[in-house]
Amino acid sequence: GAVVSQHPSRVICKSGTSVKIECRSLDFQATTMFWYRQFPKQSLMLMATSNEGSKATYEQGVEKDKFLINHASLTLSTLTVTSAHPEDSSFYICSAPSVAGSQETQYFGPGTRLLVL
Amino acid sequence: GDSVTQMEGPVTLSEEAFLTINCTYTATGYPSLFWYVQYPGEGLQLLLKATKADDKGSNKGFEATYRKETTSFHLEKGSVQVSDSAVYFCALRGSNYKLTFGKGTLLTVNP
Repeated sequence: GAVVSQHPSRVICKSGTSVKIECRSLDFQATTMFWYRQFPKQSLMLMATSNEGSKATYEQGVEKDKFLINHASLTLSTLTVTSAHPEDSSFYICSAPSVAGSQETQYFGPGTRLLVL
Repeated sequence: GDSVTQMEGPVTLSEEAFLTINCTYTATGYPSLFWYVQYPGEGLQLLLKATKADDKGSNKGFEATYRKETTSFHLEKGSVQVSDSAVYFCALRGSNYKLTFGKGTLLTVNP
């Protein structure tokens, strides 16, 4: 079946540095990908919708200059956390929809755990 | 806005026990409802879904019925296995086509 990968799976960085997280659809093309953030014991919160060939659309309250999204190709979206701070420590998950006939299924990546020291 | 409330865990059961994880929702219009499962170290996977009232989604022995009158979509399984140990998320997709998730329920099944 369809698979979405994320890299890295875990990253530890110093405060003030930038971190890039990749999301790839491995055997299908995705013009749209979604980025979520999950705090411990909380639900997944949609951060932004990544659109191939155009700007990402951000949810209310998400800083677009802090969370840069680039949908470089039909199989790759990247999320860059710029000037990361400890409060950005979280679990970041991407998803991509795959359409077969009239059915659309969201496939999720395994997530990236970010720890900012 | 749309919201999903699900039973907080963790839930610990013995093998072959009956499982219920409650889920209720608030949404405008007629959302589609989903249960996702996340096994350790893996991404979320769709477990089952229902797109309209009274629909029953089922997969791998799990079932959930879309109850519009009680705005609920409770997950049930008659006899759980150790391999069912995972985190379960209830979710809805509203009129804006975006997914809204519950907080997740950790299920541990002991042999």
